[in-house]
Amino acid sequence: NAGVTQTPKFQVLKTGQSMTLQCAQDMNHNSMYWYRQDPGMGLRLIYYSASEGTTDKGEVPNGYNVSRLNKREFSLRLESAAPSQTSVYFCASSDWVRVYEQYFGPGTRLTVT
Amino acid sequence: AQKITQTQPGMFVQEKEAVTLDCTYDTSDPSYGLFWYKQPSSGEMIFLIYQGSYDQQNATEGRYSLNFQKARKSANLVISASQLGDSAMYFCAMRIKGGSEKLVFGKGTKLTVNP
Repeated sequence: NAGVTQTPKFQVLKTGQSMTLQCAQDMNHNSMYWYRQDPGMGLRLIYYSASEGTTDKGEVPNGYNVSRLNKREFSLRLESAAPSQTSVYFCASSDWVRVYEQYFGPGTRLTVT
Repeated sequence: AQKITQTQPGMFVQEKEAVTLDCTYDTSDPSYGLFWYKQPSSGEMIFLIYQGSYDQQNATEGRYSLNFQKARKSANLVISASQLGDSAMYFCAMRIKGGSEKLVFGKGTKLTVNP
């Protein structure tokens, strides 16, 4: 039981490059989330998916797109990376019964130069 | 607007003593949930405890308890018998039920447990 896995763990991009952050969970959870964490800040929700086939914007969606590929996988795409997107990105999942108890992945540390 | 405020950037406590981490929240929604997460230096986020707005009793989970004062809009985390392994960042967060699943986190409190 791996829980929530994220790839890659680290990434360095140049301004304007694109990339996709991958997230998968093996807990049969319905809801999945993408957050970013900047130094000295709490987590801010980028996008979430309440169930397979649905996605919704969170607090800071600009510059990102997401895809809920299936129940297990939820990817986050940066089409044209900007230095302001330098951050640690966390994926999380939860079930509908205990939706407050989110299980987090280990995070992806992204640097955009 | 929904908001979580953690006013203590850093806290220190002696091993085996209790410590309270403050959290206040702001929402006009009558139905909401409050929770605490721990983030050790390794970076992962670990769920600690949850309190629903309609729960009559304060939540407890082992050495963690949530001091929920609805009228004051506060949801302080109490850690009893602190251990060295409790040294970490602690985040208070709020979820609004109904409507979209927007989750709001505070900026965190860094707890250091001294031997």
